[in-house]
Amino acid sequence: SAVISQKPSRDICQRGTSLTIQCQVDSQVTMMFWYRQQPGQSLTLIATANQGSEATYESGFVIDKFPISRPNLTFSTLTVSNMSPEDSSIYLCSVIPGVGQPQHFGDGTRLSIL
Amino acid sequence: AQSVTQLGSHVSVSEGALVLLRCNYSSSVPPYLFWYVQYPNQGLQLLLKYTTGATLVKGINGFEAEFKKSETSFHLTKPSAHMSDAAEYFCAVSDLRDDKIIFGKGTRLHILP
Repeated sequence: SAVISQKPSRDICQRGTSLTIQCQVDSQVTMMFWYRQQPGQSLTLIATANQGSEATYESGFVIDKFPISRPNLTFSTLTVSNMSPEDSSIYLCSVIPGVGQPQHFGDGTRLSIL
Repeated sequence: AQSVTQLGSHVSVSEGALVLLRCNYSSSVPPYLFWYVQYPNQGLQLLLKYTTGATLVKGINGFEAEFKKSETSFHLTKPSAHMSDAAEYFCAVSDLRDDKIIFGKGTRLHILP
């Protein structure tokens, strides 16, 4: 299995600012995913981030709001741009460690916007 | 399209009692099915998964789930609840065409002393 580290673990931000969340994996993985978990809700996939290509966004999520980088096979970032209180959520990254293996998740970033 | 329905957003059981968390899925292709657990202030941890083969799947912490194709169900059980089982449980479905997972809305399990 993969060990996934997310930074920061939590943050409180001002409205209108942006925050970049980092996801580091201890092994090379092809597919990385970013999810949002709003308070009391389930997980919603924001985008799939594959190294060497543009991230693929799900319906309702756009690159201008959630730009993603994937510079190599062990690292990705998600930026939450121009934040509003509605962006207060837990943001999680996950990876598929190998063929046929299920997704493994990081501990998430708990984001509150004032 | 795939979907997951978890019956009961909150379930309470007494310590030592049977835990049963219900999950029904919809999929047009043979599904991969998962149960994840989320403890407070933590990410998701895989409890167990079903891909192919034996329909009764055993996971960590004494949990197991049975894939019933005729009922399109994948209910999670544990014979005897422990206080440490209090958490949010998510059922999820995936297929072979891509690696996306569709999550259910989650069931919060409360353990009563």
